[in-house]
Amino acid sequence: SQQGEEDPQALSIQEGENATMNCSYKTSINNLQWYRQNSGRGLVHLILIRSNEREKHSGRLRVTLDTSKKSSSLLITASRAADTASYFCATDLSYNTDKLIFGTGTRLQVFP
Amino acid sequence: GAGVSQSPSNKVTEKGKDVELRCDPISGHTALYWYRQSLGQGLEFLIYFQGNSAPDKSGLPSDRFSAERTGGSVSTLTIQRTQQEDSAVYLCASSLNEKLFFGSGTQLSVL
Repeated sequence: SQQGEEDPQALSIQEGENATMNCSYKTSINNLQWYRQNSGRGLVHLILIRSNEREKHSGRLRVTLDTSKKSSSLLITASRAADTASYFCATDLSYNTDKLIFGTGTRLQVFP
Repeated sequence: GAGVSQSPSNKVTEKGKDVELRCDPISGHTALYWYRQSLGQGLEFLIYFQGNSAPDKSGLPSDRFSAERTGGSVSTLTIQRTQQEDSAVYLCASSLNEKLFFGSGTQLSVL
């Protein structure tokens, strides 16, 4: 079963706008990762945030983690048409850190 | 190689036939994962290998699915007596620490 669920399922914005995607999960974790997928094939790792961290930045990406609410958000600032992709959160399980479970994904469309 | 390699990239088969999907992980990566993704859906965990430990097969949907990893490197996912609901993209990933590197996947179509 899915550990994480992303919200919204789909998001359409104009270039230059910010895009925010949320991820909720069910059980305790050690870390949470965000991945990007173009064209339904291989995923690319974007950022990892550990359970003792609350916020992390990488370029135009900002990730927050609230372990009390079992949720995370991914913010893409000043979006570009090239950011169009599906975005997935992935969590390990604190009792089985080797298995990475992916959420359902958010499809982001950025219009030029 | 430079990345995770999967073959074939596309496979069309008839219902009831067996198929083998191959994954060549990044050299030196000890962990290898198989996931399945149906059209427009998330990734479904299938199986996980870590070094010489027994694989975590908890995600395999039925006994028609099996996987092995020979010599701690190449992995083969085998689906016996394929069904139409097996149609999906099968993704392989390898990792040395927590970050996964994915192959481009095998698109399996069962007619």
